[in-house]
Amino acid sequence: GIQVEQSPPDLILQEGANSTLRCNFSDSVNNLQWFHQNPWGQLINLFYIPSGTKQNGRLSATTVATERYSLLYISSSQTTDSGVYFCAVGRGGSYIPTFGRGTSLIVHP
Amino acid sequence: IAGITQAPTSQILAAGRRMTLRCTQDMRHNAMYWYRQDLGLGLRLIHYSNTAGTTGKGEVPDGYSVSRANTDDFPLTLASAVPSQTSVYFCASSLTGNTEAFFGQGTRLTVV
Repeated sequence: GIQVEQSPPDLILQEGANSTLRCNFSDSVNNLQWFHQNPWGQLINLFYIPSGTKQNGRLSATTVATERYSLLYISSSQTTDSGVYFCAVGRGGSYIPTFGRGTSLIVHP
Repeated sequence: IAGITQAPTSQILAAGRRMTLRCTQDMRHNAMYWYRQDLGLGLRLIHYSNTAGTTGKGEVPDGYSVSRANTDDFPLTLASAVPSQTSVYFCASSLTGNTEAFFGQGTRLTVV
């Protein structure tokens, strides 16, 4: 099956800093999502982005499908950004998300 | 709009007991999924269903069964629970095709 690798595995930031999270995948995909798992365990949809660039407030994402990677940018980080960020991908006619192991982010005040 | 609802929220279960985790969605999504989340391993697919009446095995299906009698419900059954099934279980759904998936709030299961 398709392999998904996320980096870095852990990230510690001071509030206000910017960061870039990366998701590499081993094969072509036609579905890609970024999720934020908050400290209470909820999985929150951030972006559905199989290709191109999207922005939502301080967060943006870019997927370069031909080069098999996606990037999640967090600008002016806040303590509420803490948690684990997951990338999930899928291919074919039916989307069955395959997850990476996530990037654990801690933002200190 | 409720989205996806899982029940129970948490459960402590004696080893050897049978347990069904419930998942209901009201978005009329065709596809539904069950994942387990374990520390350091991310989310791993247990079973999935592309449409009512069909199911398929994921990465870690052993010890679990599912059914999909209708569009809205996708229960996950542990026939005889073992301690290694201690985990957080997430149900998800998507419209099918190239659309995003949405997740329930999770069920924390402890098998003792």
